[in-house]
Formats: sequence, C-alpha cells, structure tokens
Amino acid sequence: GAVVSQHPSWVICKSGTSVKIECRSLDFQATTMFWYRQFPKQSLMLMATSNEGSKATYEQGVEKDKFLINHASLTLSTLTVTSAHPEDSSFYICSAMGLANTGELFFGEGSRLTVL
Amino acid sequence: DAKTTQPPSMDCAEGRAANLPCNHSTISGNEYVYWYRQIHSQGPQYIIHGLKNNETNEMASLIITEDRKSSTLILPHATLRDTAVYYCIVTPGGSQGNLIFGKGTKLSVKP
Repeated sequence: GAVVSQHPSWVICKSGTSVKIECRSLDFQATTMFWYRQFPKQSLMLMATSNEGSKATYEQGVEKDKFLINHASLTLSTLTVTSAHPEDSSFYICSAMGLANTGELFFGEGSRLTVL
Repeated sequence: DAKTTQPPSMDCAEGRAANLPCNHSTISGNEYVYWYRQIHSQGPQYIIHGLKNNETNEMASLIITEDRKSSTLILPHATLRDTAVYYCIVTPGGSQGNLIFGKGTKLSVKP
C-alpha cells in the first residue's frame, strides 16, 4: 500500500527553539495532507489541512503563527513548531490523501516532540 | 465532537474472533463508516470502510445494521499483534481526510 514517511521520528529540543517535521508521500502524489497532534492517552486531534501550493487551513484553537505548515510539492509537507515550549511536547502525525481517492487515508509513523 | 460511541476497552483471547461494536445513531445518508487502528506509538492504520453493505477484506469484516445506526468490526482470528486502539469514524464520502477521532476501543488480545 501507499507509504507516508515522517522525519524525524523523535526529537528533543530546548524551550524557545523551533523544530521542523517533514511528511513525505513516498510512492504517490498527495494534493492534501493533514496534521494531527496526540497527547498521551488521548485521541488524535486535527490541527490543520495542508493543500499543495496554497495556505493551510487551521482548526479552531490552533495558532497558525506557532505551527507553520508548508506544502510546497505534491510529496512533501512540513510542520514547524516555532518557539517551542514544554506544553508543545506531543506526538505529531501527518496523513495524506492521494490524487485518486480510494477512500483510504495514509498515515505517517508519527514524530514525538519533547521540549525541555 | 466524534459522532460515534465505542466501549473504552475490550479483551479477546488469541485465536478467537474479536467483535468491536460502534454506535453511530446520527449518521447521515452520505456518511461512510471507517475503521482505523493505532498500535502504541505508531500512526493510525486503515482497516476497512463501508456505506451500507457489509464489507470484507484481508484484515477484517464490517457489518453495518440495516438502519445504519450501528456497526461491528470483526477480526476473525485475533493475534497478539492486533492489540491496539480501534477507532470507528463516520464521515462524508470523499472528504474523509479531516477525520474526527473519538476515544476508540482499546482491544487487548491475550494469549
């Protein structure tokens, strides 16, 4: 099946620094990618929808200036957590929908961010 | 808010069938039922989806009641590797990208 890859799979950073997480569709083109956040023992929460070549659409309560999303190509979307703080520590997961809508959403492996 | 209700947890003996229920009494006519699962510290994995007919694939079977207000995911022969959180999601067909995840059912398969 289709593969979505995230990098890095885990990252530790100091408070106040910025962290970039990449999401790539390896064997298909993704016009739309989605970013989720998951805190421990909680469900996934949709943060934003990323469309290739246009601005991302953020869910209510998600700060667009803090979580910068770029979807510059059909195979790559990036999430940058700017000026990270300990409360931003979470599991960040991306997903992608292919050009041919098969009714299935492909998820990355997730990236665990720990802010000290 | 999620539009589905699932039991928080279930146990299943290895080799037995695991039947995971989901209530979606407010489902609309154009909404599909999707099932995903998430193994600990991994991204969710698609299992199956359906509209009104029962569906089967290599992973599982999906049984949807005639009134579409509930469904059951069946793993015919559960293995230890099937231990995961299973999410039942209803969403309009063609727009399943922005999935709204509920709390899911934590399935524990025991030897």
